[in-house]
Amino acid sequence: AQSVTQPDIHITVSEGASLELRCNYSYGATPYLFWYVQSPGQGLQLLLKYFSGDTLVQGIKGFEAEFKRSQSSFNLRKPSVHWSDAAEYFCAVGRDSNDMRFGAGTRLTVKP
Amino acid sequence: DTAVSQTPKYLVTQMGNDKSIKCEQNLGHDTMYWYKQDSKKFLKIMFSYNNKELIINETVPNRFSPKSPDKAHLNLHINSLELGDSAVYFCASSHLGGNQPQHFGDGTRLSIL
Repeated sequence: AQSVTQPDIHITVSEGASLELRCNYSYGATPYLFWYVQSPGQGLQLLLKYFSGDTLVQGIKGFEAEFKRSQSSFNLRKPSVHWSDAAEYFCAVGRDSNDMRFGAGTRLTVKP
Repeated sequence: DTAVSQTPKYLVTQMGNDKSIKCEQNLGHDTMYWYKQDSKKFLKIMFSYNNKELIINETVPNRFSPKSPDKAHLNLHINSLELGDSAVYFCASSHLGGNQPQHFGDGTRLSIL
C-alpha cells in the first residue's frame, strides 16, 4: 500500500541551528516527491520537488532535500534555521494528479 | 492577484444545513482539487477535477459534490452537514500530471454547531 510517514510530529530547534525533517515513503515505483510548508492560517506552499536526476535538490528559503532510494526517504534539511521557519511541514508523494499523498506533517518550533 | 482564492475563510453553521465553498484560480491550471485537513493536520484529497475527468476519493460521502462552472472555478457543495465535517477545506490547482506542484488556497475553516 502507498504511504508517507513523517516520524516526527513536533521538532524544536534553536534559531541558527541546523534542521532535518524526516520523510519515508512506501510506493510501487519511485514517486514524485515534494515538500510543502504551511504557516498558520495559510495554505501549503511548495518548498521543493524531486522527479529524477541529482538526488540533492535545492528549494526556496534555503531548504534542500536528499532523495535516498535505498532508504525510501526524502529528508528535508536547512543549515541554519530562522525564527520565520516555524511552521508545519508536509512531505508528499505521488505519480498522478489525483494520487498525491501527504504525510501527517511535522510541526517546527524555533527557540530564540 | 491571489493565485488560488477561497471564500469564505470561515464558515460556522448548524448541523443539517447545506453550504458551499467557492474556489477560483488565476494560474491557468487545468486541474483543481479539494482537500480536507482534520484537527490533527492530516491532509486528505477529496476530489481532483480537470475538464475531462472527475476523480472522487471513494471515502468521501456523497453529501459532498464539486461543481465546476469553468476551468478556473471548482466549488464545493456540502449537503446535510454533520459534526464530523468540521475541518479546514483547501482548494488547490495545478497543471495535469503527478509531477506538477499544487498551489493551495488559504483554506476555509468549517465549524458545525
